Amino acid sequence: GAGVSQSPRYKVAKRGQDVALRCDPISGHVSLFWYQQALGQGPEFLTYFQNEAQLDKSGLPSDRFFAERPEGSVSTLKIQRTQQEDSAVYLCASSLAGANYLYGYTFGSGTRLTVV
Amino acid sequence: AQSVTQLGSHVSVSEGALVLLRCNYSSSVPPYLFWYVQYPNQGLQLLLKYTTGATLVKGINGFEAEFKKSETSFHLTKPSAHMSDAAEYFCAVTLSSGAGSYQLTFGKGTKLSVIP
Repeated sequence: GAGVSQSPRYKVAKRGQDVALRCDPISGHVSLFWYQQALGQGPEFLTYFQNEAQLDKSGLPSDRFFAERPEGSVSTLKIQRTQQEDSAVYLCASSLAGANYLYGYTFGSGTRLTVV
Repeated sequence: AQSVTQLGSHVSVSEGALVLLRCNYSSSVPPYLFWYVQYPNQGLQLLLKYTTGATLVKGINGFEAEFKKSETSFHLTKPSAHMSDAAEYFCAVTLSSGAGSYQLTFGKGTKLSVIP
């Protein structure tokens, strides 16, 4: 597609519920990133994929967070047993090649997760 | 490791006035620096970036920024504010080499209001 597509745009979850957030990167983009943006804060890095390989998951806040990209295109961020502190906008970005920022990142519009 | 400090969470300017958004960074190796803009309920859009070469970089929508190594700054300016510039602006840094060089570290953002 022309841009990075994320779905759903908005998600309300009851505390303890599991959620799955989807990211469709730009076709052909090798690298895919997830960021978490809490209210009033800048985005914070969660995880990085190169094709289907998850090369860095150091930003995932707990073992309740899990990300996958099984075929090297679409990615899913799953949060188990959601808690109120998980409420945030989850941004996905993709890049044409590798870890070199010079190729540029394109961000999606994000999924706003509210845990009640 | 790297970090970004944006001075002023809110800045108000009159339409036609100079826009100045401040950003200071710290980085263990030469940095790559970026400014992003975020409109409500949208993703991040790249305004401009500094990687190497000329320290004064020009971006979209008439914005520019100057990399000053001695001051560890990368302030964003625009000579004349337009109503459409009202948005949130994020400064970000990444390492030019080494582990984690693909990670963007963002500041907390500055919300720009333009007064007619």
